[in-house]
Amino acid sequence: QKEVEQDPGPLSVPEGAIVSLNCTYSNSAFQYFMWYRQYSRKGPELLMYTYSSGNKEDGRFTAQVDKSSKYISLFIRDSQPSDSATYLCAMSANTGGFKTIFGAGTRLFVKA
Amino acid sequence: NAGVTQTPKFQVLKTGQSMTLQCAQDMNHNSMYWYRQDPGMGLRLIYYSASEGTTDKGEVPNGYNVSRLNKREFSLRLESAAPSQTSVYFCASRLTGPGNTIYFGEGSWLTVV
Repeated sequence: QKEVEQDPGPLSVPEGAIVSLNCTYSNSAFQYFMWYRQYSRKGPELLMYTYSSGNKEDGRFTAQVDKSSKYISLFIRDSQPSDSATYLCAMSANTGGFKTIFGAGTRLFVKA
Repeated sequence: NAGVTQTPKFQVLKTGQSMTLQCAQDMNHNSMYWYRQDPGMGLRLIYYSASEGTTDKGEVPNGYNVSRLNKREFSLRLESAAPSQTSVYFCASRLTGPGNTIYFGEGSWLTVV
């Protein structure tokens, strides 16, 4: 079993839809939770960062962490064609600076 | 504002050839990383360097070597390329600490035939 599981999609939605992207994990030591966005033929870039449980909102994006269920989500409101990308969840523990584990990524297509 | 710069962007190698991927960061970060990204596998850590002068194996180190030349530069070497090393390689860096943001380069597309 992978430490981080993420549905690879692809997920195709119409413009304006609410998108829900999710990851589950098995390591209860994870405390830092991140979402990266990766456009085609580009490197991943940080989109959202959350420490421990709770919600964080940034414009059209909301990140949720439920540590009791080992489940994290990214919601995109009023999705735009420019949101079409691969979204990777990532998480790390407070034990050493290297152990960041990435999900496989979910490909999202937003149709105009 | 360059961030993380890696070269070359594209490379085709024959089986058994060697090559070095170069990476440099201008953000004064302590930690640097090399990942490979394959379809359905996500990003997998090959090697990392927590600070200048140190390197350690990650999840998939076999067939690779690294050099942390100085604080800015971290190179990845394939001594004898194999088709299984066909992948997209990303160099990354961050300030030391698990909660700090990882910054990625643009990627190097490597094909081994």
